[in-house]
Amino acid sequence: DIVMTQSPDSLTVSLGERATISCESSQTVLYSSNNKNHLAWYQQKPGHPPKLLISWASTRESGVPDRFSGSGSGTDFTLTISNLQAEDVAVYYCQQYFVTPGTFGQGTKVEIK
Amino acid sequence: EVQLVQSGAEVKKPGESLRISCKASGYSFTSYWIGWVRQMPGKGLEWMGIIYPRDSETRYSPSFEGQVIISADKSISTAFLHWSGLKASDTAMYYCVKVYGGTYYLLDGWGQGTLVTVSS
Repeated sequence: DIVMTQSPDSLTVSLGERATISCESSQTVLYSSNNKNHLAWYQQKPGHPPKLLISWASTRESGVPDRFSGSGSGTDFTLTISNLQAEDVAVYYCQQYFVTPGTFGQGTKVEIK
Repeated sequence: EVQLVQSGAEVKKPGESLRISCKASGYSFTSYWIGWVRQMPGKGLEWMGIIYPRDSETRYSPSFEGQVIISADKSISTAFLHWSGLKASDTAMYYCVKVYGGTYYLLDGWGQGTLVTVSS
């Protein structure tokens, strides 16, 4: 299996500041045939199911605020939340969807300082 | 709008069988893979497996193959997750998921979750 490792495990950020979450995969998730990274980010708010935020490493889903951005390629990826809002308190997961079985990172908990 | 509505919470004893369901609406049920993700208490997400309702082809994570069965009834746009002999370690929240077209593991729709508790 591809192992996905996120850092940090938790993050406390002041309102309006930036939160940065890293995700490293044990193998590349870049598909050379289409030059696309098979990497997604999900947000899970307390008591709710996860929600897809970003696919293909950097493509925001419809309705996702533009303060959320994804970057990276190959094995190293970043989710950035700029201008953190109270409603962004959640656990964020990266996931590779390149090979079976679509493994997730362990999650990063974002809280407000 | 994609909607995945799951059956309610279950409390079962070890060794019992169980089937939970997920009714899909808002999209063509037979055109997209649908499946299940496990979240154990206080833990992360695990992709379990998926089914293509048009022909019932299934794909399982090696960790779950042989432990559960995923099925679907296209006449009622519903997917199922079945256990024949529950264990305490099956206690978890189970999410029904819709798979993004053209992939097997990118999950663009989620049900509300079904909490399964297995305890003697």
